[in-house]
Amino acid sequence: AQKVTQAQTEISVVEKEDVTLDCVYETRDTTYYLFWYKQPPSGELVFLIRRNSFDEQNEISGRYSWNFQKSTSSFNFTITASQVVDSAVYFCALRAGGSYIPTFGRGTSLIVHP
Amino acid sequence: DSGVTQTPKHLITATGQRVTLRCSPRSGDLSVYWYQQSLDQGLQFLIQYYNGEERAKGNILERFSAQQFPDLHSELNLSSLELGDSALYFCASSVALYNSPLHFGNGTRLTVT
Repeated sequence: AQKVTQAQTEISVVEKEDVTLDCVYETRDTTYYLFWYKQPPSGELVFLIRRNSFDEQNEISGRYSWNFQKSTSSFNFTITASQVVDSAVYFCALRAGGSYIPTFGRGTSLIVHP
Repeated sequence: DSGVTQTPKHLITATGQRVTLRCSPRSGDLSVYWYQQSLDQGLQFLIQYYNGEERAKGNILERFSAQQFPDLHSELNLSSLELGDSALYFCASSVALYNSPLHFGNGTRLTVT
């Protein structure tokens, strides 16, 4: 069975703070893909990144960075110098083995105060 | 813009009624997914189609049905609506079955009164 846990239900920070959103996954498959999505207050779900299980290199895109660690089954997302526009619900998702269907975490609501 | 189009954006209807939600996938994407998002249940997978065929089914109620047409657009039909069906319904598409990300539409907000 596949499972994604986002233990942080809500995080509140002040603008310019760094913030890390945690994602822990469970799967028995050796081939899998991890994703992050952003859902701003307007409601749409926006794809941010995909990582496969064979590539543990960290990725940086502007103020966003992702840390993939197979040893701890984690795929954490860090926003550096957060901004009010980063306020959203962030979802981590897993697609493993031959499963057609991504498993989503419950999401972490990030609130960035000015 | 994800390239996935969902209509309508908002829908208000009464209990017992039937509605149809429509989705056009991104150009080139063969796979369509339907999700329901409510406050207490998070993102719930309903059903998936690939090139016109049903490929996977989640927690979709018997009152709900869907199909994918030859032009790859999909419709989700919700009947005998109940108050609890009020939610945001997302359609998503992907180019492949297994490893590709889902690209979501803007959703249809259904309110059942």
